[in-house]
Amino acid sequence: DAGVTQSPTHLIKTRGQQVTLRCSPISGHKSVSWYQQVLGQGPQFIFQYYEKEERGRGNFPDRFSARQFPNYSSELNVNALLLGDSALYLCASSLGGLEVGVGFFGPGTRLTVL
Amino acid sequence: AQSVTQLGSHVSVSEGALVLLRCNYSSSVPPYLFWYVQYPNQGLQLLLKYTSAATLVKGINGFEAEFKKSETSFHLTKPSAHMSDAAEYFCASRNAGGTSYGKLTFGQGTILTVHP
Repeated sequence: DAGVTQSPTHLIKTRGQQVTLRCSPISGHKSVSWYQQVLGQGPQFIFQYYEKEERGRGNFPDRFSARQFPNYSSELNVNALLLGDSALYLCASSLGGLEVGVGFFGPGTRLTVL
Repeated sequence: AQSVTQLGSHVSVSEGALVLLRCNYSSSVPPYLFWYVQYPNQGLQLLLKYTSAATLVKGINGFEAEFKKSETSFHLTKPSAHMSDAAEYFCASRNAGGTSYGKLTFGQGTILTVHP
């Protein structure tokens, strides 16, 4: 069974541009979370979606937005990119509901902003 | 607000030696706790989790961790290090109870180096 998949693997953008990152959860998982991992730091929570609704939001500016589709895949959008947005963006999926924790992470999308 | 502190950003051990990676949490209520491993250019892999059942939790690859409420700690150990254990390790917490809507709060990470 396929794990969490993310696309693209790597991305290079310039300041001010917009980017869309994609995530497909494990089959049967209804919850998707997004994390930003800046080099040398632990991941920081951005969003969590469950059953297509936003269930949690971290301390990120409104330039960051996300959505979840009927097939439970998800997109993370970042507008007006800044140099500080350069990071590894991780997607994690879980069953949702009463299931504990977020155990399954994708390989991430490495975003470089020049 | 929850916080997780990992003591030591770098830990170096010899192959076959004990591995001890330290994690302390700050929370008014004991949270759920997790250890993840991250190999270079990869995502995070769950090693083990504590969810208020047994305080000694066994995970994959021979790792285990013990939840100590009195010390607000959740240190990760492995009796004998292997070269393949070299990676970065993250401790994380989330609110106990409820649904899985809660966020994970991660520590800064500890890079484990294993010498032959």
